[in-house]
Amino acid sequence: DAGITQSPRHKVTETGTPVTLRCHQTENHRYMYWYRQDPGHGLRLIHYSYGVKDTDKGEVSDGYSVSRSKTEDFLLTLESATSSQTSVYFCATGINNQPQHFGDGTRLSIL
Amino acid sequence: AQSVTQLDSQVPVFEEAPVELRCNYSSSVSVYLFWYVQYPNQGLQLLLKYLSGSTLVKGINGFEAEFNKSQTSFHLRKPSVHISDTAEYFCAVSRDDKIIFGKGTRLHILP
Repeated sequence: DAGITQSPRHKVTETGTPVTLRCHQTENHRYMYWYRQDPGHGLRLIHYSYGVKDTDKGEVSDGYSVSRSKTEDFLLTLESATSSQTSVYFCATGINNQPQHFGDGTRLSIL
Repeated sequence: AQSVTQLDSQVPVFEEAPVELRCNYSSSVSVYLFWYVQYPNQGLQLLLKYLSGSTLVKGINGFEAEFNKSQTSFHLRKPSVHISDTAEYFCAVSRDDKIIFGKGTRLHILP
């Protein structure tokens, strides 16, 4: 599994609440990514990081923020969750700009 | 902007038959190209990648892909599929630190 742990694996919450998803890696990879996967859309990049405190937006970044204070951890935060953010979220790590390894996903349901 | 088009959302094929999963990309500059596989309830796994050099790229599990610059294609092939190849396959393109995925092709292996 290349040392990627996503937590929690499942979460159900209510609209308007804050939610933080955590991605932890043990491979010391420089690049980390957050994707969401929805039927008919494949994987869409939310945010990515190319180093500690270095992050940038992806194609669907609205409503999401990220932080990376340590190489091994990349946090994804939904400040005020909406039902449209119900999805499966995947974290990935990579060397250069190539996602090599993916976590097992977090299934998030917002009611 | 670059994009990735996977021409078939589902591909049924008989066991031990050959298969081709099609992928086209749009970009006016050099890109890196990838194929990933996702087994049910799991994260994605890198099958193969094209960075430069030989246009025929061999990956894991007997898959290969051919980069065709003139047709902007990167089709995935396997000469003989097995039931264990049942999964969803994603083509992806990378440029400027961003990885864009296609919407996926579900491969159904028929007995």
